[in-house]
Amino acid sequence: DIQMTQSPSTLSASVGDRVTITCRASQSISSWLAWYQQKPGKAPKLLLFKATTLESGVPSRFSGSGSGTEFTLTISSLQPDDFATYYCQQYDSYSGTFGQGTKVESK
Amino acid sequence: QVQLVQSGAEVKKPGASVKVPCKASGYTFTGYFIHWVRQAPGQGLEWMGRINPASGDANFAQRFQGRVTLTRDTSISTAYMELSRLTSDDTALYFCARGHLIYGMVHDYWGQGTLVTVSS
Repeated sequence: DIQMTQSPSTLSASVGDRVTITCRASQSISSWLAWYQQKPGKAPKLLLFKATTLESGVPSRFSGSGSGTEFTLTISSLQPDDFATYYCQQYDSYSGTFGQGTKVESK
Repeated sequence: QVQLVQSGAEVKKPGASVKVPCKASGYTFTGYFIHWVRQAPGQGLEWMGRINPASGDANFAQRFQGRVTLTRDTSISTAYMELSRLTSDDTALYFCARGHLIYGMVHDYWGQGTLVTVSS
């Protein structure tokens, strides 16, 4: 199975900060990577797919980069609504493994 | 608008089974995969399996093989996830999610989740 590892596990930031989350795959997944945002008690929300493609309706301050085994999610200017947990997911194999999550909290 | 609506919380005893429905609306039910993802308390997301509502064909994560059954009723646009031989480790929030039209393993719409608690 493909393993996905996110770093950091927790990130403390302030409104207006530029935030970067990293996701590493245990083997190459080309660009078959999605990012989700989840708030407590709620379902995840799709942010990006194919590593860099923004889902419709998602603010442009979110962006993704990377291919192969290393990927990043960047929030260019953190907004109050962005404090949440973020998950990457590979879909190179049909098992669709998720990373363990990165919690973005208020500094 | 696309909606996936799940049932309310369930409490089950160890060894029992649970069957969770997921009612879809706002799109052609048979045109998109339905996936099931679970989240144990304070933990991350775990993909369980998926069903093609058009054919009824299903795939599962290896660790759930033999314990999860995925079915659908196209007449009422509803998918079901049944998990058997429950243990306390199965206590979790269970989500259904729609597969993206092109990238089927990407989940573009999600149900609100059904909390399943396994306790004696």
